[in-house]
Amino acid sequence: GNSVTQMEGPVTLSEEAFLTINCTYTATGYPSLFWYVQYPGEGLQLLLKATKADDKGSNKGFEATYRKETTSFHLEKGSVQVSDSAVYFCALIRNAGGTSYGKLTFGQGTILTVHP
Amino acid sequence: DTGVSQDPRHKITKRGQNVTFRCDPISEHNRLYWYRQTLGQGPEFLTYFQNEAQLEKSRLLSDRFSAERPKGSFSTLEIQRTEQGDSAMYLCASSWTLTGSGIKDEQYFGPGTRLTVT
Repeated sequence: GNSVTQMEGPVTLSEEAFLTINCTYTATGYPSLFWYVQYPGEGLQLLLKATKADDKGSNKGFEATYRKETTSFHLEKGSVQVSDSAVYFCALIRNAGGTSYGKLTFGQGTILTVHP
Repeated sequence: DTGVSQDPRHKITKRGQNVTFRCDPISEHNRLYWYRQTLGQGPEFLTYFQNEAQLEKSRLLSDRFSAERPKGSFSTLEIQRTEQGDSAMYLCASSWTLTGSGIKDEQYFGPGTRLTVT
């Protein structure tokens, strides 16, 4: 079946440090890949997505590249801020025939804390 | 666009009681999803609807769980005879997904309903 594995956390960084959160997946076919973020006390928000191999998703300074050869979708940001402190979830949707199978499969989440 | 809303936000109930949660999706969205999230874990898929049709149910959805979307708009999730293991955050999401039109599967989540079974 489909699965997503994220690097074990939590991750603690100083402001302006470089961030990498690793994500690898197992899926049949060509899934769409996502990063969601959950800020304290808030719901899940879509951060970025990529729908095919070598696509790069980007938003708010975060980037992730869909690497089919390594089945990875690592999240990166060059300079984190205190406001980036949140829980980050990698997720996939299985696709076929140009449409979506609907359900998101999530990783276990990585807690990021950024100190001033 | 008012986003996905869920009601109630918090529910405390005693073991054995029935509970019902409501989700109102973004108005033009045709798909509606339910997920469950326990502390320290990612959300787990429960079920989803396309319009009023329930297209898939997870094995996590025991016979005590039932979901409906009677008119293709809002949805309800009912848990009968609640157990302590049902304590979790129940998340609703919606998306606009057209078959054959390409992959438009961005799901937008509501704030969730936190259920505590005592």
